[in-house]
Amino acid sequence: DIVMTQSPDSLAVSLGERATINCKSSQSILSSSNNKNYVAWYQQKPGQAPKLLIYWASTRESGVPDRFSGGGSGTDFSLTISSLQAEDVAIYYCQQYYNVPQYTFGQGTRLEIK
Amino acid sequence: QVQLQESGPRLVKPSETLSLTCTVSGVSMHHYYWTWIRQPAGKGLEWLGRIYSTGSTNYNPSLKSRLTMSVDTSKNQFSLTLTSVTAADTAIYYCARERVMDSAQLGMFNYWGQGTLVTVSS
Repeated sequence: DIVMTQSPDSLAVSLGERATINCKSSQSILSSSNNKNYVAWYQQKPGQAPKLLIYWASTRESGVPDRFSGGGSGTDFSLTISSLQAEDVAIYYCQQYYNVPQYTFGQGTRLEIK
Repeated sequence: QVQLQESGPRLVKPSETLSLTCTVSGVSMHHYYWTWIRQPAGKGLEWLGRIYSTGSTNYNPSLKSRLTMSVDTSKNQFSLTLTSVTAADTAIYYCARERVMDSAQLGMFNYWGQGTLVTVSS
């Protein structure tokens, strides 16, 4: 299995400030055939199902605000919220889909307002 | 618009069988994989397995001996059964579908059910 490890486990950021969440995979999830990184990011609010935010490491899902951005390659990835809004309080998960179909998720990062 | 809805018993006794159904609306089930994911309370997400519309399955190896999935495209439903449950199987169970692009399913999930909490307890 590919293990996805997120850091930090929790994060408190002031409104309007930048928030960055990291995700490290236990092996490279960059495909040499198409040069794509097989990682996605999700946002989960209390009592709700996860919502897909970003895939291919940096492609925003339709309707996701542009303050959300993803980056990284190989084994190290990040999700950045450029200017934190109150509605961004949630738990964020990364997921690898390189090892089809044994998909795995990170343990989650809880994002709160400072 | 694709919608998924889980249903089934909310309480299951230890050593018994957990059974859930996901009803799909807004799209034909044909030519897609349909997935189950669970989330223990306060914990992360675990991919359980998926079933293709023809009935072909892939399971998480850690659960393979206890897990069975089935599909009934005429009813627009797919199901999960998990045998010999313990308290460790207590979780919110989600059904989901992978994002589709150019007729290919890509491995990330853009459609989810609301989830159903199943508690294993006597």
